[in-house]
Formats: sequence, structure tokens, C-alpha cells
Amino acid sequence: TQLLEQSPQFLSIQEGENLTVYCNSSSVFSSLQWYRQEPGEGPVLLVTVVTGGEVKKLKRLTFQFGDARKDSSLHITAAQPGDTGLYLCAGPSNFGNEKLTFGTGTRLTIIP
Amino acid sequence: SQTIHQWPATLVQPVGSPLSLECTVEGTSNPNLYWYRQAAGRGLQLLFYSVGIGQISSEVPQNLSASRPQDRQFILSSKKLLLSDSGFYLCAWSVGGAHNQPQHFGDGTRLSIL
Repeated sequence: TQLLEQSPQFLSIQEGENLTVYCNSSSVFSSLQWYRQEPGEGPVLLVTVVTGGEVKKLKRLTFQFGDARKDSSLHITAAQPGDTGLYLCAGPSNFGNEKLTFGTGTRLTIIP
Repeated sequence: SQTIHQWPATLVQPVGSPLSLECTVEGTSNPNLYWYRQAAGRGLQLLFYSVGIGQISSEVPQNLSASRPQDRQFILSSKKLLLSDSGFYLCAWSVGGAHNQPQHFGDGTRLSIL
């Protein structure tokens, strides 16, 4: 069974601080996706990383895919209240690319 | 552009009553369709997915069922709801027949069982 463990489970920091959240697995994934979900809404895709070691930037968000394609991180610089939400990583299942395995999630709260 | 509609947004039902949640997708053909349940503030549990009309794969044994009567319509049902069926239900679609595709979610249905 492929599992994606995210850490920390909860994170609450002051506006302007930097933070990193992690997504780890013992399984290799062909790619990993990151989503952000706000309360009462569905998750929205932020980015997909495909190549081992790949780094992608989305404004103040930096996503990295591990060299071995078993882990990924999301770094946020100068966090803003609008960054508040549930961050989920997800990867294609080895048992059918039409399915995704979702991580356990990191609940991020940015305090103004 | 593609859109996904899921309704109702909230639902309160008594134990033992039936359930029907509907999801429709517009602007694409032959999508993969998914039903998820999400516990408060946590990850998503895949309940059902479908790669075509009438094709349903069940991921978790439960008293729920799913149907896909039309290409872009996905329905989640139950004949008799249990208290444990309470939760946030999400419908999603992805491009059919392609690898490593992202999923696009509806806004969810908050289901409360009394």
C-alpha cells in the first residue's frame, strides 16, 4: 500500500515568517501533486512535480521533488494570511494511474 | 472551459434515510470521475471511481454505492444512512486515458446524519 505522510499535521505561524511542510513516502512516485483546500471548498491544484530533484516556484511558494521521487517539500516565504488552508500532496497510484493517493494533510494557519 | 457541479452543498438526514448526491461535469468528454470522503481537516479517502459509463470501482466496503448513468454524471447513493456516513463528500474529475493527470474538485457536500 502506498502511503503519503505529511508533516507537520498542524502549523500556526505569524504573518511574514517562512515555513516548510513535508510529504514523505517509502514508495516511489512517478510524479507528485500539491493541492490547497480552503474550508468548505474542494482542493485546488497548485503544482505538479515530475522529475526527481525538480524545483518549481509559484510566487512565494517553492516546491521540490526528492531525487529518489519518494518525497516532496513545500516552502513558503513571507507567509500571508491568504496562505491559510489545508495543504495536500498526492501521487498516482501504482495500481492504476487514474487514481491518486492523497497525503494526510498539513493544516496551515497564518496569524495576521 | 471545464466546470464541475456538485449538490447539495449541505444536507441533514436522519439515520436510516436514503441518500442521493449528484455530480456533473461540463466542457469535457469521457472524464474519469471520483467520489471522496474527507474527515475534518484531514486527507481524502477514495470511495468510488469510474473510467466510463456504467463502470464503477469501489475502494472501500460500505453501505454506499455509486452510478454513472451518463458520461458526465456521477451519483453517490445509499439506501439506509448510518451515523458513520456523516462527513464532507467531494466529487472530482480528471482527463480520461492520460497519465499523471491532476484532479479537479467540486465544492463538496457537507452531510450530517442525525
